[in-house]
Amino acid sequence: GENVEQHPSTLSVQEGDSAVIKCTYSDSASNYFPWYKQELGKRPQLIIDIRSNVGEKKDQRIAVTLNKTAKHFSLHITETQPEDSAVYFCAASKRGVLTGGGNKLTFGTGTQLKVEL
Amino acid sequence: GAVVSQHPSWVICKSGTSVKIECRSLDFQATTMFWYRQFPKQSLMLMATSNEGSKATYEQGVEKDKFLINHASLTLSTLTVTSAHPEDSSFYICSARTGRGEKLFFGSGTQLSVL
Repeated sequence: GENVEQHPSTLSVQEGDSAVIKCTYSDSASNYFPWYKQELGKRPQLIIDIRSNVGEKKDQRIAVTLNKTAKHFSLHITETQPEDSAVYFCAASKRGVLTGGGNKLTFGTGTQLKVEL
Repeated sequence: GAVVSQHPSWVICKSGTSVKIECRSLDFQATTMFWYRQFPKQSLMLMATSNEGSKATYEQGVEKDKFLINHASLTLSTLTVTSAHPEDSSFYICSARTGRGEKLFFGSGTQLSVL
């Protein structure tokens, strides 16, 4: 099955700096890669996603890049703010594969991002 | 985005009792819902996939007789933790997929504490 690794596990940056979180996946058939932000005790919120036919996607201060050959994808947050502090999870799935569970997501281990004033 | 409602948000129970958690898609029909378990400071681990009108698909290592899943309608899936024990204490969270889309929307989670 799919295995998603995520680094770093913790990341501390100064307000205004950029933050980069990296993930690798093992299944070359995976074609959908979302990123979730989870605040303590709350539900994960989808912040951005990318499909395998695209190399980069940007939404305001957030961007995601995908390298299919190397099987890795990254989340980039620019001009970080204290409210960006949370745990971020990457995930991978095979969209359109109608296996028993449909498009089940495999999550990375998470990155605790702390933006310091 | 789509709204997924999960209840209760927290529950404390005695060891040996059963606890039911509900997951509802409020503004869309979800043929597939997923149940995750999350320990403190850890990732979300998929427990099972709930398919409307059919049996759930459980991940390896998850006891189907202990974690009963029922997906009786297109908007409701329930997870029942039977004969709960302290080691079952965890954050349980459901998610649902809208139609054929790949985006998953999560419920607010249920913190289960078994005494």
